[in-house]
Amino acid sequence: GQQVMQIPQYQHVQEGEDFTTYCNSSTTLSNIQWYKQRPGGHPVFLIQLVKSGEVKKQKRLTFQFGEAKKNSSLHITATQTTDVGTYFCAANQAGTALIFGKGTTLSVSS
Amino acid sequence: DTGVSQDPRHKITKRGQNVTFRCDPISEHNRLYWYRQTLGQGPEFLTYFQNEAQLEKSRLLSDRFSAERPKGSFSTLEIQRTEQGDSAMYLCASSNRDFYNEQFFGPGTRLTVL
Repeated sequence: GQQVMQIPQYQHVQEGEDFTTYCNSSTTLSNIQWYKQRPGGHPVFLIQLVKSGEVKKQKRLTFQFGEAKKNSSLHITATQTTDVGTYFCAANQAGTALIFGKGTTLSVSS
Repeated sequence: DTGVSQDPRHKITKRGQNVTFRCDPISEHNRLYWYRQTLGQGPEFLTYFQNEAQLEKSRLLSDRFSAERPKGSFSTLEIQRTEQGDSAMYLCASSNRDFYNEQFFGPGTRLTVL
């Protein structure tokens, strides 16, 4: 079945440094969603990308969908302590169920 | 509070017992999902309802698991004859088909099987 792989699994940065997490699939995706889960919390929707080569920005967060719709990335500029958490990419398989990656856990030290 | 709610938030049970969890989705959402999450993993899809119809079920879902959404509003997830491997966070999410499948997650029920 469809799988989405995320790298890295963990990333530690100093506050103010940039952070990027990557999501890859062996199959073409119809769309990709990104969620953030704070420690002890539940996943919260960040964004959905649908179009080939799409780039969307939310303040310091930049999301990209690859031209072949097989990969995606989330880039955070100048991280803050509030960015701490696990970032998941997720894609729809046949139907509406989401398949989640294992996530990238970001820690930030001030 | 207009978000997704789940009850109970925590459940400790002995192996072999049955447990039932409840999820109340956002009121206007017609789609409801159950996921399971273990430490260090992303949420794993279990099953999905559109209104009262159960439309998708993971092949990984054991026959000890059953879910219902009798009136198309709240849903229950029952696990019979629990095993230690069932220990996990059980997450419920809902979405509205008028929007592109953004899923709103509840706080989850953490199950510990002793």
